[in-house]
Amino acid sequence: GESVGLHLPTLSVQEGDNSIINCAYSNSASDYFIWYKQESGKGPQFIIDIRSNMDKRQGQRVTVLLNKTVKHLSLQIAATQPGDSAVYFCAETAGGSYIPTFGRGTSLIVHP
Amino acid sequence: NAGVTQTPKFQVLKTGQSMTLQCAQDMNHNSMYWYRQDPGMGLRLIYYSASEGTTDKGEVPNGYNVSRLNKREFSLRLESAAPSQTSVYFCASEGKSPLHFGNGTRLTVT
Repeated sequence: GESVGLHLPTLSVQEGDNSIINCAYSNSASDYFIWYKQESGKGPQFIIDIRSNMDKRQGQRVTVLLNKTVKHLSLQIAATQPGDSAVYFCAETAGGSYIPTFGRGTSLIVHP
Repeated sequence: NAGVTQTPKFQVLKTGQSMTLQCAQDMNHNSMYWYRQDPGMGLRLIYYSASEGTTDKGEVPNGYNVSRLNKREFSLRLESAAPSQTSVYFCASEGKSPLHFGNGTRLTVT
């Protein structure tokens, strides 16, 4: 079946740098994308989402970019802080389904 | 407002034992989900319930059963635990996207 995947399993950055976490998806029918953050010992927590009729959406220090042509999604975190250290998952739904499919996750490590 | 509450937080079982993982949400959400999370595998859907009174299989349902007891509660049962079911189990609920997750149950089967 089609799936959502990630390019990099681990990303290490210095505090204050900008971070970019990438996600590739294969289902051309995907129309809703979500980024979750999972801290150690906790469940995933919603960060930001984007629908397929948009290319970019901004939140507080986070931006999600969607490139439907190449089926690529990215999460940009500005001025990364130690509290941003976590595993980040992208997820997508398609064709009216409300059940998301999750990627494997990227571990973000922020060094002080 | 507690969100999604899972019990227990940790559990150790011997092969063949049974147990039920409990999940409750206080957000009046219609849909509830059970996922398992294994290293390097992301989150895989076990079962879900679109509304009170309905349940459906997800990607990895074998070895599990579920009960949607009422709108608030959705339990996951392992009738005969196997070492392959060692995992972290997450319950989630949804009113309108996105999902709200509990903090998980870490289960070890020896």
